Amino acid sequence: GENVEQHPSTLSVQEGDSAVIKCTYSDSASNYFPWYKQELGKGPQLIIDIRSNVGEKKDQRIAVTLNKTAKHFSLHITETQPEDSAVYFCAASSPFSGGYNKLIFGAGTRLAVHP
Amino acid sequence: GAVVSQHPSWVICKSGTSVKIECRSLDFQATTMFWYRQFPKQSLMLMATSNEGSKATYEQGVEKDKFLINHASLTLSTLTVTSAHPEDSSFYICSAIRGGGSAYEQYFGPGTRLTVT
Repeated sequence: GENVEQHPSTLSVQEGDSAVIKCTYSDSASNYFPWYKQELGKGPQLIIDIRSNVGEKKDQRIAVTLNKTAKHFSLHITETQPEDSAVYFCAASSPFSGGYNKLIFGAGTRLAVHP
Repeated sequence: GAVVSQHPSWVICKSGTSVKIECRSLDFQATTMFWYRQFPKQSLMLMATSNEGSKATYEQGVEKDKFLINHASLTLSTLTVTSAHPEDSSFYICSAIRGGGSAYEQYFGPGTRLTVT
């Protein structure tokens, strides 16, 4: 089955710096790669996603890149702000007989942005 | 983004009792919903896939008789933890699929914190 590895587990940056989180996946059939932000005590919030037919996607300060050949994808946050501090999860779809791919999550990255 | 709600947001129950958690998609219909469990400082663990009008599909190691799932309508799925024990204490999160084909997205609810005493 699908396996997703996420690095680093913790990341500390100064406000204004960039943050990069990387994930690798094992199932070449995976075709959907969302990123979620989870604040303490809350559910994960979808912040950006990318599909296998696209190599890069950007939304304001957030961008995601996908390398299908190498089976890895990355989240890039520029001009970080203290409110970006949270746990970030990457996920990769795993083929599911019901028609929708179920998501397999990475272990998470705890991002701390210091003023 | 799409809105998924859960109720209750937190619940405390005594060992041996049952607890029902509701998950609703508020602004879209969802034929497929998922139930996850999350322990402190850990990732999300998929428990089961809930399909409207059919039986849920449980992940390996998840007891289907203990975690009853009912997807009663296109906007509501419920998870009932039966005969709860302290080890069932956890953060339970549902998610719902919006869209279809190659354009689907998965949105999560705010979670329900269950404490079994």
